[in-house]
Amino acid sequence: QQQVRQSSQSLTVWEGETAILNCSYENSAFDYFPWYQQFPGEGPALLIAIRSVSDKKEDGRFTIFFNKREKNLSLHIKDSQPGDSATYFCAAKFYGSSGNKLIFGIGTLLSVKP
Amino acid sequence: EAAVTQSPRNKVAVTGGKVTLSCNQTNNHNNMYWYRQDTGHGLRLIHYSYGAGSTEKGDIPDGYKASRPSQENFSLILELATPSQTSVYFCASGGQGQDTQYFGPGTRLLVL
Repeated sequence: QQQVRQSSQSLTVWEGETAILNCSYENSAFDYFPWYQQFPGEGPALLIAIRSVSDKKEDGRFTIFFNKREKNLSLHIKDSQPGDSATYFCAAKFYGSSGNKLIFGIGTLLSVKP
Repeated sequence: EAAVTQSPRNKVAVTGGKVTLSCNQTNNHNNMYWYRQDTGHGLRLIHYSYGAGSTEKGDIPDGYKASRPSQENFSLILELATPSQTSVYFCASGGQGQDTQYFGPGTRLLVL
């Protein structure tokens, strides 16, 4: 059962456009949602994160919009650059009896064309 | 900046052989994790640990064992490797009570 869904496995935009990556989740108990960025040959690294008490989190060109009622969120990358080409993972924190862990989506491969 | 290293970076193994993947972190994090990454599946949690001597099963533990002999080291062991375990494996660490996980560079494993 996939608890965190990313609707697109790949997305291509032109340099300067806003890239929008979508994510949805099933468990209403999730309350922390990080986005990880992964370049080829490297491990993922935290890009930006939001808690469910907020509906927006901004960090430079990166913004998360969060809709708790609809159980979805999106990552907006403004003024996309070729250097933003990477795989982006949406994740959610799961609080279980044996500990807390992150549940990852399958990732969206973003290509920014110059 | 968190520092997580993995060895080896690349490994070719034969079916039925034993494989050990190693992870080391120098940030004194209590929590460590092993994931595998496959196209169409994203990152899936295999085993994790809350400290030296502890290991917990993740979402896909079958066919894998883990060992945490010290705060710094966390190993993933494939006792009888199978071709279905061909994948890229990532180790990560995180501080107790902290949400961020810091990932290593990955180990690419090919089981023939």
